[in-house]
Amino acid sequence: AQRVTQPEKLLSVFKGAPVELKCNYSYSGSPELFWYVQYSRQRLQLLLRHISRESIKGFTADLNKGETSFHLKKPFAQEEDSAMYYCAPLSGGSNYKLTFGKGTLLTVNP
Amino acid sequence: DTGVSQNPRHKITKRGQNVTFRCDPISEHNRLYWYRQTLGQGPEFLTYFQNEAQLEKSRLLSDRFSAERPKGSFSTLEIQRTEQGDSAMYLCASSSTPAGGQLFFGPGTRLTVL
Repeated sequence: AQRVTQPEKLLSVFKGAPVELKCNYSYSGSPELFWYVQYSRQRLQLLLRHISRESIKGFTADLNKGETSFHLKKPFAQEEDSAMYYCAPLSGGSNYKLTFGKGTLLTVNP
Repeated sequence: DTGVSQNPRHKITKRGQNVTFRCDPISEHNRLYWYRQTLGQGPEFLTYFQNEAQLEKSRLLSDRFSAERPKGSFSTLEIQRTEQGDSAMYLCASSSTPAGGQLFFGPGTRLTVL
C-alpha cells in the first residue's frame, strides 16, 4: 500500500540549531515529493518540491530513493520557522493527487 | 484578493441537517480539490475536478457527500444528514494543469456537528 510516514508529531529545537524533519514513503516508481507548511493562523502553502532542487527560506530536501526518504533540513533554525510541516507525495500514477503525511509540529525556542 | 476563498469560514449545525460549502478557486486554475482535515491528521483527499468534470472521488466520501463544479468555476460541497463524525476542517485547493502537486489552498471551512 502507498504510504507516507512522518515519524515525529512534535519537534522542538533552539534557535540556531540544525533541524531535520523526517519523511519516509512507500510508493512504487519515482513519485514526485513536496513539503507543505502551515504557519499559525495561515493557510497551508507549498514550501518546496524535490524536482526543483531549490532552497526555500533556508530549507532543503533531498530525495533518497534507496531509503525512500525525503527529509527536510535547515542548518540554523529561526523562531519564524515554527509551524506545522507536511510531507506530500503525488500518488503513484497520478499527476494531480497529493497524499499528505500526518505532519510534524516544529517549535523553535528562543 | 486573487487567492482561493471559501465560505462560510465556520459552520455549526445539528446532527441530521444538511450543509453546503462554497469554494472559489484562483480564476485561471482548471483543477480544484476538496480535502478534509481532522485534529492531529494531515489533509485527506476527498475529490478532484478538472474543469467541470469530477475525475476522482475518494472512498472516504459516503453517499451523503456530493460535490459539484458547474461551468468549471466555483465548487460546492454538500453534506446531507450530517453526523458528528463529519466535524472537521474542509479545505479547498486549486492548481493549474502543468503544476502537478503545487496546490493553492483556501482558508478552510470548519464544520462542527452537534
